[in-house]
Amino acid sequence: DAGVIQSPRHEVTEMGQEVTLRCKPISGHNSLFWYRQTMMRGLELLIYFNNNVPIDDSGMPEDRFSAKMPNASFSTLKIQPSEPRDSAVYFCASSPSGTGATPWETQYFGPGTRLLVL
Amino acid sequence: KQEVTQIPAALSVPEGENLVLNCSFTDSAIYNLQWFRQDPGKGLTSLLLIQSSQREQSSGRLNASLDKSSGRSTLYIAASQPGDSATYLCAVPLTTSGTYKYIFGTGTRLKVLA
Repeated sequence: DAGVIQSPRHEVTEMGQEVTLRCKPISGHNSLFWYRQTMMRGLELLIYFNNNVPIDDSGMPEDRFSAKMPNASFSTLKIQPSEPRDSAVYFCASSPSGTGATPWETQYFGPGTRLLVL
Repeated sequence: KQEVTQIPAALSVPEGENLVLNCSFTDSAIYNLQWFRQDPGKGLTSLLLIQSSQREQSSGRLNASLDKSSGRSTLYIAASQPGDSATYLCAVPLTTSGTYKYIFGTGTRLKVLA
């Protein structure tokens, strides 16, 4: 298996521009997670999906952030408009959990997208 | 509110040393605790997962212990090697109204010197 695939790996954009990050989870995994990692705040969960349905989006910082999972093999995280404080590494992870309430299963992380907003 | 703390924040040791990384959490009602490794510029890799009913979990030179009552976990690395250099994070799930999310510690940045 190729693991969790994220694109792009690096993104540099100007303030105010729309940014779309993409994730392909491991085939057969039912849960997908978007995280943000910064030096100041560490690793934070933004949103997670189970069976393509958003379960908990309480970590999404504000309305500028949105996430979708149109099918089991693809998810996007969109920032519009982007701001310099959004600069961070964004990770996608997936787990085989079938119910979204099985926290004993490990998560498999993608390599991340390093975002820089100028 | 669950808070996860890791001490030390950074550690530099000579090759061959045995070392201990610490993780503390404030709410002892956890389902499990996971230790992850993060290499520079890479994602996280799960090392060990300890269920709440377990006290220890091992894999190769790694041994993780869990003491729920005191809110602590340790990751023991035996005979450290330069290839062990990475950031190590612990995480516990936070359950709210049937959903869950992992709360991560800030990590311990380990450097093993050849």
